[in-house]
Amino acid sequence: GNSVTQMEGPVTLSEEAFLTINCTYTATGYPSLFWYVQYPGEGLQLLLKATKADDKGSNKGFGATYRKETTSFHLEKGSVQVSDSAVYFCALSRPYNTDKLIFGTGTRLQVFP
Amino acid sequence: EAGVTQFPSHSVIEKGQTVTLRCDPISGHDNLYWYRRVMGKEIKFLLHFVKESKQDESGMPNNRFLAERTGGTYSTLKVQPAELEDSGVYFCASSQDRHEQYFGPGTRLTVT
Repeated sequence: GNSVTQMEGPVTLSEEAFLTINCTYTATGYPSLFWYVQYPGEGLQLLLKATKADDKGSNKGFGATYRKETTSFHLEKGSVQVSDSAVYFCALSRPYNTDKLIFGTGTRLQVFP
Repeated sequence: EAGVTQFPSHSVIEKGQTVTLRCDPISGHDNLYWYRRVMGKEIKFLLHFVKESKQDESGMPNNRFLAERTGGTYSTLKVQPAELEDSGVYFCASSQDRHEQYFGPGTRLTVT
């Protein structure tokens, strides 16, 4: 079946450090891939997405590349800020087959000044 | 433009009681989804409405859960009777183009 695996947290970093949160997936066909973020006290927000192999999604300094050969969609940011502290969820969907999003377990990021 | 709203933000009930969660999608969005996150685990899909019709309810855990979307606007999710394992955060999302889903802040349900 379809599934998403992401690294366990929490991830603790100092401000301006480099961030990588690993995400791998199992899916039939050609899924779309997403990163969602949940800031404290808020709902989920779409951070970035990629809909086909080799696409790179980017937003707010974050980026992730859809790698079909390694079935991965790792999230990266070159220099994190305290305001990036949140829970990050990797997800996939298969549009026009089923719309439902399949999520990973989430990774909590804590950035300290 | 108002986002997806959910009510209540937090509900604490005793085992065996009934609770109804409400979701108001973004105006004009035909697609409405319910998800839940239990005990820090992954967020799991419950069901998907297109207007007032249930398109996919494969994630509904059992018949204690009843979702409705009268008139294709807001939706309710009723849990009757609630069990301890129903505790978690219930998210609602809506979309128009079936690619990007906009989420509400969630309802935290605690069953004691």
